[in-house]
Amino acid sequence: DTEVTQTPKHLVMGMTNKKSLKCEQHMGHRAMYWYKQKAKKPPELMFVYSYEKLSINESVPSRFSPECPNSSLLNLHLHALQPEDSALYLCASSQGVWNSPLHFGNGTRLTVT
Amino acid sequence: QQPVQSPQAVILREGEDAVINCSSSKALYSVHWYRQKHGEAPVFLMILLKGGEQKGHDKISASFNEKKQQSSLYLTASQLSYSGTYFCGTDRTGEYGGSQGNLIFGKGTKLSVKP
Repeated sequence: DTEVTQTPKHLVMGMTNKKSLKCEQHMGHRAMYWYKQKAKKPPELMFVYSYEKLSINESVPSRFSPECPNSSLLNLHLHALQPEDSALYLCASSQGVWNSPLHFGNGTRLTVT
Repeated sequence: QQPVQSPQAVILREGEDAVINCSSSKALYSVHWYRQKHGEAPVFLMILLKGGEQKGHDKISASFNEKKQQSSLYLTASQLSYSGTYFCGTDRTGEYGGSQGNLIFGKGTKLSVKP
């Protein structure tokens, strides 16, 4: 079982909807990440939070808005998404030091209609 | 700057060996290896650091050749449980001590182990 928990597992939303993805870890990790994965493709980095501060934004469109309320929680707020945003959204955490391994959650399968 | 993995796919019988390669056009300081089974999260296997070290995990080991800017993952006496897609990841900054977790993954190698 993964120690990074993501909810919901599946989400279907319309292009005018607002929804949020949630991620939680209790390993004491200080860095948390959002990755996007399309079918048969590798994960692509979206955002990195280090010590609850946004440290990397990989030029992600503003319709994706991350939030890190505390060191254990990470949210991804979604608004006015496009069908091409349909993908598996993976949350990950790490100790936050150089080359610490990533621990991934099982992801949220998002479908935008 | 995305690392290049080869082969793209490999099919094995149980007990056979396989090698997956990961190469970069940029200087490598570290390489991460992950395995992702269908419908599941990627799972960390190991990290190789600059210095040409080798690591092992059960019957899965890896090497890192910084001169060749390449890492290889060795799967020995493969088991059904080894099936999945293997990704190598390199730090996007390419620097020793660079940004944490800013990995760029290769396109993956799909490994299928048949009975």
